[in-house]
Amino acid sequence: EAGVTQFPSHSVIEKGQTVTLRCDPISGHDNLYWYRRVMGKEIKFLLHFVKESKQDESGMPNNRFLAERTGGTYSTLKVQPAELEDSGVYFCASSQAGASRSGYTFGSGTRLTVV
Amino acid sequence: GDSVTQMEGPVTLSEEAFLTINCTYTATGYPSLFWYVQYPGEGLQLLLKATKADDKGSNKGFEATYRKETTSFHLEKGSVQVSDSAVYFCALSDVGNTPLVFGKGTRLSVIA
Repeated sequence: EAGVTQFPSHSVIEKGQTVTLRCDPISGHDNLYWYRRVMGKEIKFLLHFVKESKQDESGMPNNRFLAERTGGTYSTLKVQPAELEDSGVYFCASSQAGASRSGYTFGSGTRLTVV
Repeated sequence: GDSVTQMEGPVTLSEEAFLTINCTYTATGYPSLFWYVQYPGEGLQLLLKATKADDKGSNKGFEATYRKETTSFHLEKGSVQVSDSAVYFCALSDVGNTPLVFGKGTRLSVIA
């Protein structure tokens, strides 16, 4: 079974530019999560999709971040315009319905650097 | 709100040394507890988990016991290898379909 795939693996952009991160979850996984780790800090929850619906977006830092999940399949996370403090590693994870307490499957992450 | 506190790193050990990474938590409900590991250049992988008090999770020689009385879930390994060098994250998931709450991570370096 293919794992959770994220791309790009690395992105370096200038402040003010736009970046779109993509996550392909494991096929059949209804739950999709985005997390972010800013350098040296905790991995923080951003948002949670159940199929194509946003179940919880309480972790989204501000309205420069826009997440979508087209047709309940892959998800994108757009940052527009990017700021220096957006730098970090963005992780995506997926799980089957009702499986959250068993742990998720994470992708390798996208390292975003805003300069 | 829920939180996880784990020991600050980095931790540097010689091969075959004993490893302990402390983790304590605060939760409003009765959480499941996890240790995740991130090897260099890879994503987060579930290392082990425990879902109720006194459960012991184990994998690849690592162990952690869910201690409700001390709200702890310390990670241990009796003899580390160079290949164990990675960042280790303690995490919890509270009741219901709540997101994982992570600690800051502890970087472990094992030298030959």
